[in-house]
Amino acid sequence: NAGVMQNPRHLVRRRGQEARLRCSPMKGHSHVYWYRQLPEEGLKFMVYLQKENIIDESGMPKERFSAEFPKEGPSILRIQQVVRGDSAAYFCASSPQTGPRETQYFGPGTRLLVL
Amino acid sequence: AQSVAQPEDQVNVAEGNPLTVKCTYSVSGNPYLFWYVQYPNRGLQFLLKYITGDNLVKGSYGFEAEFNKSQTSFHLKKPSALVSDSALYFCAVRDGGHAGKSTFGDGTTLTVKP
Repeated sequence: NAGVMQNPRHLVRRRGQEARLRCSPMKGHSHVYWYRQLPEEGLKFMVYLQKENIIDESGMPKERFSAEFPKEGPSILRIQQVVRGDSAAYFCASSPQTGPRETQYFGPGTRLLVL
Repeated sequence: AQSVAQPEDQVNVAEGNPLTVKCTYSVSGNPYLFWYVQYPNRGLQFLLKYITGDNLVKGSYGFEAEFNKSQTSFHLKKPSALVSDSALYFCAVRDGGHAGKSTFGDGTTLTVKP
């Protein structure tokens, strides 16, 4: 059973470009979570999605950031008009069902570098 | 609101000695607590969790953690450290009343010297 997949693993963008980060959850998992890890810091929650629904986006910046988890295909975290401060590791996690007891399983992350 | 504190940025131990990585938390509801380990340029690997029941939780790779409600702590322990345990360790908390969002500590770098 493959784990959580994220691609690309590394992404370089120039200021003002768009970044698209993809996450394929573990087989049978329908809940996806995105976290951001800035250098020398812990993970910060961004958004929680189920298929076709955003459940909690309380950690998402109000502008330039969006996320989706369509009925078919991976979850996408999209950052428009990237700035240097967006440089970070972005981790996706998935769980089979919702609930505070559920363990979230993490992907290897996408490391975004904005030049 | 929920929060996690890992008071030590770094923990150094000699191989074969016991190790402890500290974590304290704050939640308004029932605490659900997790430990993860991160190796360089890798994602987080789940180690163990406390949901309910015994205060001593056993997890992967010989790690265990003790839930202490009165001290609001969930320290990670291992009786005998290995050099391969050297990594970055994160404690996380979730409020029992809410699904989804986990709050992570800033991490503790564990270095085990031969």
